[in-house]
Amino acid sequence: DQQVKQNSPSLSVQEGRISILNCDYTNSMFDYFLWYKKYPAEGPTFLISISSIKDKNEDGRFTVFLNKSAKHLSLHIVPSQPGDSAVYFCAAPNTNNAGNMLTFGGGTRLMVKP
Amino acid sequence: NAGVTQTPKFRVLKTGQSMTLLCAQDMNHEYMYWYRQDPGMGLRLIHYSVGEGTTAKGEVPDGYNVSRLKKQNFLLGLESAAPSQTSVYFCASSYGTGGSEQYFGPGTRLTVT
Repeated sequence: DQQVKQNSPSLSVQEGRISILNCDYTNSMFDYFLWYKKYPAEGPTFLISISSIKDKNEDGRFTVFLNKSAKHLSLHIVPSQPGDSAVYFCAAPNTNNAGNMLTFGGGTRLMVKP
Repeated sequence: NAGVTQTPKFRVLKTGQSMTLLCAQDMNHEYMYWYRQDPGMGLRLIHYSVGEGTTAKGEVPDGYNVSRLKKQNFLLGLESAAPSQTSVYFCASSYGTGGSEQYFGPGTRLTVT
């Protein structure tokens, strides 16, 4: 049972346009969410996070929106750049353990065309 | 400051062989993790450690063992490799407080034939 789902395995966007990556979760106890970015042959790197007390968090070209009632979050990249081409994972820390364990979605591969 | 490093980067094993993957971090993090990444399945937690001398099972621990004898090192062992363990393995570390970000190594690509 995947508690964090990214239903779009890939997304293709033109340079300069907006990229919207979506993530759904089933566990209503999740109260913090993170997005990671992964280039080929590298490990994931932290991109942006959001606490459940907020519905939006912005960092430069990256904005994450959280809709708790729908159990849905999205990552917006504006404007998209070719260097943003990567796999993006959303993740949530498990709340019933002391190990700060993260549950990851399956990832969305973003391709930004010049 | 190297962050999180993993050794080796690539490895090919025959079924039944054993090997150990080494992870090292120089950030003085308490928590360390081993994940595997398979296509379409994201990253799944194998084992983790909340401090030197401690280990615990994650989501997919079967077929793997771990040890954390030193705070900076976290070893992942495969005693008898199986083709189902063909994957990319990532080590990560974090300070440990709830929600703190995890820092990942570059990964080890393992193929079991």
